[in-house]
Amino acid sequence: AQKVTQAQTEISVVEKEDVTLDCVYETRDTTYYLFWYKQPPSGELVFLIRRNSFDEQNEISGRYSWNFQKSTSSFNFTITASQVVDSAVYFCALSGRIQGAQKLVFGQGTRLTINP
Amino acid sequence: EAGVVQSPRYKIIEKKQPVAFWCNPISGHNTLYWYLQNLGQGPELLIRYENEEAVDDSQLPKDRFSAERLKGVDSTLKIQPAELGDSAVYLCASSQLAGGYNEQFFGPGTRLTVL
Repeated sequence: AQKVTQAQTEISVVEKEDVTLDCVYETRDTTYYLFWYKQPPSGELVFLIRRNSFDEQNEISGRYSWNFQKSTSSFNFTITASQVVDSAVYFCALSGRIQGAQKLVFGQGTRLTINP
Repeated sequence: EAGVVQSPRYKIIEKKQPVAFWCNPISGHNTLYWYLQNLGQGPELLIRYENEEAVDDSQLPKDRFSAERLKGVDSTLKIQPAELGDSAVYLCASSQLAGGYNEQFFGPGTRLTVL
């Protein structure tokens, strides 16, 4: 079964604080992909990152960083020096094979609020 | 470059009425997806097209939902008749490459309210 768990339903921090969004996944596939998407109030999901299962290197993009650990089946996302514009719902997703077809399975999302 | 376009953005209908949603993907994107997003949940795939062929419709409730992608460009998702439980956001996405593991670009969605 393919499953993504984002245990944090809501997080609220003050601007400039660092914040980490947790993502734990389950899959039996040896090859899979992990994603993070941002959903601002406007509604469309914005792609942030894709990682394949063979690349465990952590990645940094500006204030964003991702920590992929296969040993714990986790793909956590950290925002450094958070800003009000980071307020959104963030989704972690896993692309795996379900019933013979490659599907993107999303977690339930974490609503992040950055307060000024 | 224009993103994924969806219309209408909002729709309110009475139960048992039909409703249709339209999506125009990013130019050149051969793969098109329709997702259902319930409140407080992540999107769930309804159907995936590769060009005009529906390659994965296993999650589409075929008794009341139908979709088409004539000419392999824009697509329409229809519900007939709508039920109260269909109230949700319907998202369309597209990707340049085939397969479900590529970066998908999402539209703003259509928020459906069934009264």
